[in-house]
Amino acid sequence: SQTIHQWPATLVQPVGSPLSLECTVEGTSNPNLYWYRQAAGRGLQLLFYSVGIGQISSEVPQNLSASRPQDRQFILSSKKLLLSDSGFYLCAWMRTGITYEQYFGPGTRLTVT
Amino acid sequence: AQSVSQHNHHVILSEAASLELGCNYSYGGTVNLFWYVQYPGQHLQLLLKYFSGDPLVKGIKGFEAEFIKSKFSFNLRKPSVQWSDTAEYFCAVNSKTGANNLFFGTGTRLTVIP
Repeated sequence: SQTIHQWPATLVQPVGSPLSLECTVEGTSNPNLYWYRQAAGRGLQLLFYSVGIGQISSEVPQNLSASRPQDRQFILSSKKLLLSDSGFYLCAWMRTGITYEQYFGPGTRLTVT
Repeated sequence: AQSVSQHNHHVILSEAASLELGCNYSYGGTVNLFWYVQYPGQHLQLLLKYFSGDPLVKGIKGFEAEFIKSKFSFNLRKPSVQWSDTAEYFCAVNSKTGANNLFFGTGTRLTVIP
């Protein structure tokens, strides 16, 4: 069966510090991968998606970037965090070509102080 | 671009009451529709989905949703809620562009009072 992992679960970082959040998927190959940010009362906002290694598409301009160095690894980064980067970050994967269901990880709660 | 509207931000019900959460989307083409649920402290998980065929779809835990194409709606229903249904519910529509991205509504928080 497939599983998706995210770490860390919680993170408190000062403004201006770098960020690296990691997401890995097990039990599948060549998935589509997604990064979302969930804010209270605002639903889930898609930040980045990837259809393959090294292929990243950004949905919204922002202070963050994403990379996919391996097939089942998706990393969300920032060189200098802003207060507005605080939020709950979710990674998701989708099996390509069959259905359109996305499966979500447990999320990372980021607080920028 | 697609958008999804969930008009109920917070719903409070007593156990055994019936539930209907509204979801409307804007998109002129063929859509896939989903309801996701996030129980307190748990992952966001799929509740039910509609791809084609019977517009009344049944999901886990007694939930169902009806796709009404003419109304661009996909409302979620449950005849009798339980305390354990307390959660946040998100409606989503699949995009036909990009990597089959999902567009989510803002969510509805359901509180069931025992």
